Amino acid sequence: QSVLTQPPSASGTPGQRITISCSGSSSNIRGNYVYWYQQLPGTAPKLLIYKSTERPSGVPDRFSGSKSGTSASLAISGLRSEDEADYYCAAWDDSLSGPIFGGGTKLTVL
Amino acid sequence: QLQLQESGPGLVKPSETLSLTCTVSGGSISNSRYFWGWIRQPPGKGLEYIGSFHYGASSYYKSSLKSRVTISTDTSKNQFSLQLTSVTAADTAAYYCARGDPNGSSSWLQLESWGQGILVTV
Repeated sequence: QSVLTQPPSASGTPGQRITISCSGSSSNIRGNYVYWYQQLPGTAPKLLIYKSTERPSGVPDRFSGSKSGTSASLAISGLRSEDEADYYCAAWDDSLSGPIFGGGTKLTVL
Repeated sequence: QLQLQESGPGLVKPSETLSLTCTVSGGSISNSRYFWGWIRQPPGKGLEYIGSFHYGASSYYKSSLKSRVTISTDTSKNQFSLQLTSVTAADTAAYYCARGDPNGSSSWLQLESWGQGILVTV
């Protein structure tokens, strides 16, 4: 069981806005940056959000990250079929003294 | 353009040592701006951070793997390697090498470029 908790699945229809949550604690999310990765089927993960809210160049502004207290969220607006993927949150954990990943959320575009 | 490519045996026997190499092109592993690391993913499961290093400086190993993991470098070939000893079926996973940018954080988590991954079965 992951220290960062994500819903195992999420779904939406094209054009819709969805959010994926990542619940942590005071030893990880509260005091540290959150990162989000997208993993398309059969491919390596891709950095989607860094430092909780920043987007790497090339990532569409449909993707946004936020953080509040011990939780973080990834929002995807204008959902597209190509967004169907697994999404992982990650953060440094002060108690474990190491980086940790959430269990991942499988997004289905209906 | 930066490229990372994992290589090594796809099948390792229990109790033996898993050895993988990441060959980097388009960038130098001795560039102190970046860090390099290994992440793995058991089939159908989530990501697990194994370890990372800043060439000539700091490194990180996951505590539960630390006694079995060695990450080494060969700057002449622009490669870095992972050795994991005494493997069991629980070490069966896709192994990814990656390059990260600290960007003012010590989290080892801004992993911007990844190899395609290699599946290793124990």
